[in-house]
Amino acid sequence: GAVVSQHPSWVICKSGTSVKIECRSLDFQATTMFWYRQFPKQSLMLMATSNEGSKATYEQGVEKDKFLINHASLTLSTLTVTSAHPEDSSFYICSATTGTSQYDEQFFGPGTRLTVL
Amino acid sequence: EDQVTQSPEALRLQEGESSSLNCSYTVSGLRGLFWYRQDPGKGPEFLFTLYSAGEEKEKERLKATLTKKESFLHITAPKPEDSATYLCAAAYSWGKLQFGAGTQVVVTP
Repeated sequence: GAVVSQHPSWVICKSGTSVKIECRSLDFQATTMFWYRQFPKQSLMLMATSNEGSKATYEQGVEKDKFLINHASLTLSTLTVTSAHPEDSSFYICSATTGTSQYDEQFFGPGTRLTVL
Repeated sequence: EDQVTQSPEALRLQEGESSSLNCSYTVSGLRGLFWYRQDPGKGPEFLFTLYSAGEEKEKERLKATLTKKESFLHITAPKPEDSATYLCAAAYSWGKLQFGAGTQVVVTP
């Protein structure tokens, strides 16, 4: 099956610093990647949708200047949390789809645990 | 407002004790209903997609069904390895999924 990896799997940083999270589709080309955030005991919340070579589309309430998304190739998308603060601590998960149909299954990465001190 | 609600929040089962999980949705223009399994500290693992009312899909001890307002995930004779959080998600727009909060299932030997 299709595999999506994320790096790093966990990161701890100081308040005010920026953190970059990578999402890679290992054995398929992902025309569309999605970024989610999950707080403890809560559901996954979609943050943004990114398509290769174009600007990401952010969900309402998500600060695009704080959560920078780059989808530079068909196998790589990055999420940069700029000037991170403790309230940004969360589990960030990406997913990828081949994008040929809106019904396409999304393949999820293993997630990245971000802790901001 | 589009909503996906799962119940119960948690379920504790004895090995072999069958049960059902519920996912009710109020999503306009539903394009598909997805079920995922999530283990602690990991990303969701795809189980099923259902597209229309009356549809059913099975995989090992799991069976998913869909009506116009809700979906059920039946777990038949569960084993301890079925312990996980089960998430349902409604596709409401191209590629976008709205997730429920999940049902945490614990199966004891």
